[in-house]
Amino acid sequence: GAGVSQSPSNKVTEKGKDVELRCDPISGHTALYWYRQSLGQGLEFLIYFQGNSAPDKSGLPSDRFSAERTGGSVSTLTIQRTQQEDSAVYLCASRGSGGAYEQYFGPGTRLTVT
Amino acid sequence: AQSVSQHNHHVILSEAASLELGCNYSYGGTVNLFWYVQYPGQHLQLLLKYFSGDPLVKGIKGFEAEFIKSKFSFNLRKPSVQWSDTAEYFCAVDNQGGKLIFGQGTELSVKP
Repeated sequence: GAGVSQSPSNKVTEKGKDVELRCDPISGHTALYWYRQSLGQGLEFLIYFQGNSAPDKSGLPSDRFSAERTGGSVSTLTIQRTQQEDSAVYLCASRGSGGAYEQYFGPGTRLTVT
Repeated sequence: AQSVSQHNHHVILSEAASLELGCNYSYGGTVNLFWYVQYPGQHLQLLLKYFSGDPLVKGIKGFEAEFIKSKFSFNLRKPSVQWSDTAEYFCAVDNQGGKLIFGQGTELSVKP
């Protein structure tokens, strides 16, 4: 079946602009995660959605970052007033329910802030 | 706070050599443990996982890992590596369904 998809695959933006990154999880997966992969910081958790529960936002680095998940499916990660340190690969993952704990990752969006 | 430590940043091996990548985590409760692999230009893929039961788990492509609870370790092994195993390997832990905490990653280079 189809895996996790993300768009765009690459995004170049100017410092100070806002960007939106999209994630389509595996159909039927109830949990959705955003991570960031950068050279200096490795793989960092950003935010986690589980069903209709309030999201776990504990990994968001600043209030410039936000995410939403509409209809329990597609998610959008928004970064406002981008900074150069936001340059990274943003990864989305989804997970099924019923004791299945492994997360399936998408290909990522490479964000470059100039 | 939970943390995961991978002992080696970069490992270089010749084909047919044996591999062991170290991973230690700090968390006192029940955890799930994972190894993910990222081949050059590809996305993260699950290599193997431990949830419960037999502490020796087998994954894809001949990899295995052993969970030693007393040592908070989950080391990855392969008896004989191939050039195609060249990739970055990440150890990760979660507290049963929540966010993954990743180690820093180990880059494996296998010389043909």
